[in-house]
Amino acid sequence: ETGVTQTPRHLVMGMTNKKSLKCEQHLGHNAMYWYKQSAKKPLELMFVYNFKEQTENNSVPSRFSPECPNSSHLFLHLHTLQPEDSALYLCASSQDARLSGANVLTFGAGSRLTVL
Amino acid sequence: SQQGEEDPQALSIQEGENATMNCSYKTSINNLQWYRQNSGRGLVHLILIRSNEREKHSGRLRVTLDTSKKSSSLLITASRAADTASYFCATDSGGYQKVTFGTGTKLQVIP
Repeated sequence: ETGVTQTPRHLVMGMTNKKSLKCEQHLGHNAMYWYKQSAKKPLELMFVYNFKEQTENNSVPSRFSPECPNSSHLFLHLHTLQPEDSALYLCASSQDARLSGANVLTFGAGSRLTVL
Repeated sequence: SQQGEEDPQALSIQEGENATMNCSYKTSINNLQWYRQNSGRGLVHLILIRSNEREKHSGRLRVTLDTSKKSSSLLITASRAADTASYFCATDSGGYQKVTFGTGTKLQVIP
């Protein structure tokens, strides 16, 4: 265990479903991130929250909706997804997203999403 | 946008041999990090090297950084079957943490 827990580990959903991915960290970090990992593509940064404020939205379609109620929890709400959204969704945390130069990411194990 | 590119894309070696992976990037950086990912799992941080450092060691890992060539290498000495994983370089170019990753090198260590 890394200290970052993601649930569920696997999710299969239809294009009209609404589901959510959950991430929780027990490291006392103040920044949390969502990344998307598709086969043979670089990791794509989707969202960044620092001290509960969204600081980055990397041109992500509105069918992905993040929520960060506190520094320890991060959600990704999914609605009307497309088959090409099937991927491994990784949550990460770090001490503080402003600490450029020494900020190391701690990742969860990921949520494998399949959209039918 | 992608910053680091790893080379080779895949590498297969015998246990006990050394494995070398390279990373090239395009813009100036504050630091460069290497991560490892076991199949279908999250990434695990291995080592961070700052832009003013040239070489860093951690156990069987040796990382070099050449900012003039915008490249880094990761050397794993005396490889083990447990080192089988994908390895990613990640560059931090400053501002609000924008750590960007490449596509990774898939390493297979054959027992």
